[in-house]
Amino acid sequence: DGGITQSPKYLFRKEGQNVTLSCEQNLNHDAMYWYRQDPGQGLRLIYYSQIVNDFQKGDIAEGYSVSREKKESFPLTVTSAQKNPTAFYLCASSIRWQGKRYEQYFGPGTRLTVT
Amino acid sequence: DQQVKQNSPSLSVQEGRISILNCDYTNSMFDYFLWYKKYPAEGPTFLISISSIKDKNEDGRFTVFLNKSAKHLSLHIVPSQPGDSAVYFCAARGRDDKIIFGKGTRLHILP
Repeated sequence: DGGITQSPKYLFRKEGQNVTLSCEQNLNHDAMYWYRQDPGQGLRLIYYSQIVNDFQKGDIAEGYSVSREKKESFPLTVTSAQKNPTAFYLCASSIRWQGKRYEQYFGPGTRLTVT
Repeated sequence: DQQVKQNSPSLSVQEGRISILNCDYTNSMFDYFLWYKKYPAEGPTFLISISSIKDKNEDGRFTVFLNKSAKHLSLHIVPSQPGDSAVYFCAARGRDDKIIFGKGTRLHILP
């Protein structure tokens, strides 16, 4: 049963602590993404990775870090430098089919609350 | 600077009628466009995509139209059903695999 898993569903942390959000996919997709969604906002791109051992900053990368050591995994660390870390975090992966069709699939999300 | 814009925050449509959701973009280098449906506290669900070399793609009740000269795309849902009530996001993919989203349009299907 292929898909994208994010764990945990809810995460609570104290201010000043780093926290790592997990994202795993078994779809054999090359590209993976992290977005955050805030109330009333669209999805804003944090980081993305086209291949293993490579990743690029999105529009709001400050205060975040990622790694892509395996094709299946793209963990996101929210550091203490991130000023407003409380948000709904979404991981996604994508594939292009023979150049004719493009699809991107999302995980269920992790709600992070920092107090 | 918003590269993908959904100018209508919400839309109400009678059940059984056609729902039309609109999206504008500014970057002519986008090569694919995607539509998603999202419920609260869940990940977005991929609905349909269209390549920049096409002007229409259809999948069941969902059809996406692309007007490159106007940098505009639209999603048509026919007929609209109660389960279609959700937030719909338009997104565009650049050649470097970067995918940019609009802010979404909330669709209400009225009984």
